Amino acid sequence: EILLTQSPDTPSLSLGERATLSCRASQSVSSSYLAWYQQKPGQAPRLLIYAASSRATGIPDRFSASGSGTDFTLTISRLEPEDFAVYYCLQYGSSPWTFGQGTKVEIK
Amino acid sequence: QVQLRQWGAGLLKPSDTLSLTCAVYGGSSRDYFWTWIRQTPEKGLEWIGEISPSGSTNYNPSLESRVTTSIDTSKNQFSLKLTSVTAADTAVYYCARGRATTRFRYFDPWGQGTLVTVSS
Repeated sequence: EILLTQSPDTPSLSLGERATLSCRASQSVSSSYLAWYQQKPGQAPRLLIYAASSRATGIPDRFSASGSGTDFTLTISRLEPEDFAVYYCLQYGSSPWTFGQGTKVEIK
Repeated sequence: QVQLRQWGAGLLKPSDTLSLTCAVYGGSSRDYFWTWIRQTPEKGLEWIGEISPSGSTNYNPSLESRVTTSIDTSKNQFSLKLTSVTAADTAVYYCARGRATTRFRYFDPWGQGTLVTVSS
């Protein structure tokens, strides 16, 4: 089973700041099969990024992502109020599919 | 726009069988993989298993002995059964559409979630 470790756990950031979230895999993951999700309280996760760097439909371009192998990054260029949420990475390349433990982006 | 709506019993006793159903609106269940995922504060998001339109299944080994999924393409619905539940199975359960191609894979959209509590 591929373990995904996200960092930092709970960054405190200000509006307008840049957020850089990391997802590290215990084994290599094809970038085609790495996705990022955003979850707000009481809601299901929402797809942000798929294939490591492709934005899902309707996702603002302040969200970008990159990475390959075992290291992947989600960047939010300028934090808006609606971006304070929990972010998860997903690997869908080696069964069982697994999620990271999440990074909660909090307002400073 | 495809939407998933799910339902099922929210309160179970230990040793009961969890049963959830998810309906697909605005699209067909004849493509994709139809997936169940659960979420707890302790373990986070955990993939449970998936079923294809043809009925082939793939389960998380950690739950495989207790999980069964089924699909009814005529009704655009798929279902989850988890036997012999314990308090550790208390979670929010989600259904989701799994899209898997050679170029990309992801779960989207998701159902609204069902809180299932196991308590005596």
